[in-house]
Amino acid sequence: DAGVTQSPTHLIKTRGQHVTLRCSPISGHKSVSWYQQVLGQGPQFIFQYYEKEERGRGNFPDRFSARQFPNYSSELNVNALLLGDSALYLCASSLATGGYEQYFGPGTRLTVT
Amino acid sequence: GEDVEQSLFLSVREGDSSVINCTYTDSSSTYLYWYKQEPGAGLQLLTYIFSNMDMKQDQRLTVLLNKKDKHLSLRIADTQTGDSAIYFCALTDLTTDSWGKLQFGAGTQVVVTP
Repeated sequence: DAGVTQSPTHLIKTRGQHVTLRCSPISGHKSVSWYQQVLGQGPQFIFQYYEKEERGRGNFPDRFSARQFPNYSSELNVNALLLGDSALYLCASSLATGGYEQYFGPGTRLTVT
Repeated sequence: GEDVEQSLFLSVREGDSSVINCTYTDSSSTYLYWYKQEPGAGLQLLTYIFSNMDMKQDQRLTVLLNKKDKHLSLRIADTQTGDSAIYFCALTDLTTDSWGKLQFGAGTQVVVTP
């Protein structure tokens, strides 16, 4: 079975622009979580979705939003990009919420100039 | 919230055992995980332990949990050059609203020398 897939792999944007990142979970997994990993740090939780509903939100501004589709894939949107949004964005999938194993994709490297 | 601390760097000779340590502050942590990240890659789930366990062994990996001291460790036996990576400790707390939220440490860079 394919693992978690993310697109694009790399992305370069300018300050003020908008970006959409995409994630497809492992087949059969209904929960998707998003994390931001700044260079030299551990990942920080942004959102979790389960059955198309938001089940958790981290300490990120409203410029960050996400959604989950009926096929359980997910999008992360970031508006009004700042230089500090440059990071590796990781998507993780799990069977459900709450203590289940989370499997990560390879990430999308976002650079904001 | 939780605070997760890890030492930043560990150097080990090939064939020796590696021990990576993690301490945390919140005693309601329920599942505790170890992830591995190689350069330019995502995170690979290595193993995890439920908080009612003291130890879990999986091939070359041994996880020890001391709940009293809020200390988690990962021992890698017979360390190989392919084990060179950053290792992250992560926790979830099923008593909060964000069940799926993983709280990560800053990671321990493990360098294996021949």
